[in-house]
Amino acid sequence: QQKVQQSPESLIVPEGGMASLNCTSSDRNVDYFWWYRQHSGKSPKMLMSIFSNGEKEEGRFTVHLNKASLHTSLHIRDSQPSDSALYLCAAASGSWQLIFGSGTQLTVMP
Amino acid sequence: ETAVFQTPNYHVTQVGNEVSFNCKQTLGHDTMYWYKQDSKKLLKIMFSYNNKQLIVNETVPRRFSPQSSDKAHLNLRIKSVEPEDSAVYLCASSLENYAEQFFGPGTRLTVL
Repeated sequence: QQKVQQSPESLIVPEGGMASLNCTSSDRNVDYFWWYRQHSGKSPKMLMSIFSNGEKEEGRFTVHLNKASLHTSLHIRDSQPSDSALYLCAAASGSWQLIFGSGTQLTVMP
Repeated sequence: ETAVFQTPNYHVTQVGNEVSFNCKQTLGHDTMYWYKQDSKKLLKIMFSYNNKQLIVNETVPRRFSPQSSDKAHLNLRIKSVEPEDSAVYLCASSLENYAEQFFGPGTRLTVL
């Protein structure tokens, strides 16, 4: 059973719009989340990480974390066509391995 | 800018053959990983190697084995490939646990 669930599976937003992606872990021991972005045919690259409750902003990207519900969300404002990619959420629980979700495929329409 | 290098880019082989994939990182990181990304883009950890300590995901079949000569290199050998091994194999490295992982470009394996 997959321990990291992402929603939606796919998302289409207009250029300039807001994209909101969700991720929840079912493992109560998770204490660290990452968001990676993977453009088509490329390898994943880290966008942001978060381990404290609250919000973290970097440019157009904002990440929220609610540790009680083990839920994190990624918000992209002023979305650009170049943001079109697979967004992967990953969680770690004090062990050596990252568990990845199955991703959200984001398409930003010009 | 690539700092994690993988070869080959692609490999096509037949069931039962042995294959080896290479990975090298120039970041000076202490930990390296191998992931398998299937056709649905699900990324699963296979191995982690840190200071000569190998940690294996227990779900990985025994025909898979990592090989390391030093902390900058972690190769992957598959003894007798099966059709379900067709996937993209991604190598990654990080400075330490809980640090950002840097991925290589991947090796796409097709088993006929």
